[in-house]
Amino acid sequence: DVKVTQSSRYLVKRTGEKVFLECVQDMDHENMFWYRQDPGLGLRLIYFSYDVKMKEKGDIPEGYSVSREKKERFSLILESASTNQTSMYLCASSLRGSYNEQFFGPGTRLTVL
Amino acid sequence: AQSVTQPDIHITVSEGASLELRCNYSYGATPYLFWYVQSPGQGLQLLLKYFSGDTLVQGIKGFEAEFKRSQSSFNLRKPSVHWSDAAEYFCASNNNDMRFGAGTRLTVKP
Repeated sequence: DVKVTQSSRYLVKRTGEKVFLECVQDMDHENMFWYRQDPGLGLRLIYFSYDVKMKEKGDIPEGYSVSREKKERFSLILESASTNQTSMYLCASSLRGSYNEQFFGPGTRLTVL
Repeated sequence: AQSVTQPDIHITVSEGASLELRCNYSYGATPYLFWYVQSPGQGLQLLLKYFSGDTLVQGIKGFEAEFKRSQSSFNLRKPSVHWSDAAEYFCASNNNDMRFGAGTRLTVKP
């Protein structure tokens, strides 16, 4: 069974802290994605990666960075967390090609106080 | 740029009733189209997808969707809703750039 796992389901951090969200997939997928989900706004793409060490900005990259040192792992980094980054963060992976669906992790609910 | 619109933010249906969730996409060519479901506190799970051929697509959990090029629509249907179908549903299109709608929350009345 295909699997995308995220390091934490719930996370509470303080303003200004550096936050790491980890995502691992076991499907040998080339593509990996980080989304942010907020009520009424659907999913918004933060960053994505088409290969190891490659990264591309999505629609809302400000305040975030990413790292992909290994094919199976894609990390999202909040360099200095702010309250407006309180949200649900979803990781996904897929094979190359627009006809391929994305497989999602369970999400991390991040609260920044 | 392509976009996806789900006109209904929230829909309530009675258990056993039929369901239709609307989705419109804006793109010149036919993109690849997907419906996902998200149960509370969970990630998204694929229900079905369309990329060519028969315009009526069957998915998991008894769902189907119909692609209508003339209306730029890809509506999701189920003939008889079960209480376990209560969730949020997302339509998405992909043409080298996956775009999600804002979602429709489904409530099922007993």
